[in-house]
Amino acid sequence: KQEVTQIPAALSVPEGENLVLNCSFTDSAIYNLQWFRQDPGKGLTSLLLIQSSQREQTSGRLNASLDKSSGRSTLYIAASQPGDSATYLCAVSLMDSSYKLIFGSGTRLLVRP
Amino acid sequence: EAQVTQNPRYLITVTGKKLTVTCSQNMNHEYMSWYRQDPGLGLRQIYYSMNVEVTDKGDVPEGYKVSRKEKRNFPLILESPSPNQTSLYFCASSLLQGAPEAFFGQGTRLTVV
Repeated sequence: KQEVTQIPAALSVPEGENLVLNCSFTDSAIYNLQWFRQDPGKGLTSLLLIQSSQREQTSGRLNASLDKSSGRSTLYIAASQPGDSATYLCAVSLMDSSYKLIFGSGTRLLVRP
Repeated sequence: EAQVTQNPRYLITVTGKKLTVTCSQNMNHEYMSWYRQDPGLGLRQIYYSMNVEVTDKGDVPEGYKVSRKEKRNFPLILESPSPNQTSLYFCASSLLQGAPEAFFGQGTRLTVV
């Protein structure tokens, strides 16, 4: 059974710091891995999608990597800003007939001014 | 603008009163699904649909129904809501080909009293 774990559960950093969020998964049979952002009580905004054949994706100050063989992904945020404060979720798409997304429990990020 | 639209955004109802949460996408996606998000349990899939008239159970289908009569719409039906269905609900859609990106609606916060 696929399990997704995110570490740390919460993170507080001063503005301007570079930071790394971690995601691990137990089964490498995935179609892709997505990183999402969720603001309190709000919907999920897709940040980056990494297909299983890719190693990394970049969007602005965000860079996500994928090491499928070891079951790990990282989300790197450069020069963090208070507006980056949110919960970050990673999810893997199961390589079966359901195409179901399995989510981690998230990392709650606070960037202090 | 490509989007998944859920309605209502907020709903308070009483036990046993049937309700429907609507979901519509404008991206011609074949795949649609419903998730619920609960503290400590994360996001879990309720039902999914591969295409019109093709639906299947996810991980937590008890107490829910769905239908897919049109490609763009995938309503979630609670025939007799109970307090344990109080949750934040998300609709999602994606293509089926390749390793597609999932797009999520803004969420529906349901309270059953």
